[in-house]
Amino acid sequence: QVQLVESGGGLVKPGGSLRLSCAASGFTFSDYYMSWIRQAPGKGLEWVSYISSSGSTIYYADSVKGRFTISRDNAKNSLYLQMNSLRAEDTAVYYCASHDYGQPVDYWGQGTLVTVSS
Amino acid sequence: DIQMTQSPSTLSASVGDRVTITCRASQSISSWLAWYQQKPGKAPKLLIYKASSLESGVPSRFSGSGSGTEFTLTISSLQPDDFATYYCQQYNSLTWTFGQGTKVEIK
Repeated sequence: QVQLVESGGGLVKPGGSLRLSCAASGFTFSDYYMSWIRQAPGKGLEWVSYISSSGSTIYYADSVKGRFTISRDNAKNSLYLQMNSLRAEDTAVYYCASHDYGQPVDYWGQGTLVTVSS
Repeated sequence: DIQMTQSPSTLSASVGDRVTITCRASQSISSWLAWYQQKPGKAPKLLIYKASSLESGVPSRFSGSGSGTEFTLTISSLQPDDFATYYCQQYNSLTWTFGQGTKVEIK
């Protein structure tokens, strides 16, 4: 069955960096678009970024553009999110998610918590 | 960016009630709208895609309708497992946006 397992979350100081990873299994990873979606504590869902199956097409939410970088390694069935210049408002559970081109998310990971605090 | 506005923010209902949640887009998104259900501490689950298509395995008491800027999610007879938060999401544009969520509580 499809599994998406995030890792790399934790506590980081404002201005710091963190790299999230997502290990995918149970499907042909290289055929699917992948996204990062976050949820601040007690708040709603916010789409962060997505990357095409080949990695050639990438989009970001304005709130993270220039600070976050999404990437993937299809040989390792892995998705990444490099987060730089972190702010308190980036504190959230970060979900890895898979979807077809032009389709909504059909599979989600369990999420990894990122806390930005001094 | 396309803004998505859900109403109400909270809804109190009883088992067996018919429940309707509305989602409005700031510009036309055709039928590129999805609905998700989320329970505390869990990842969201896709219920409806393309405004009215039921995801495989989702009970038929869930239905979606609408196009353009106005959409609704209806639960025909609320069950105990349906108490959760529901989100709409547009995927018409290259950058996605979610509604702020509607929490369905026990009355």
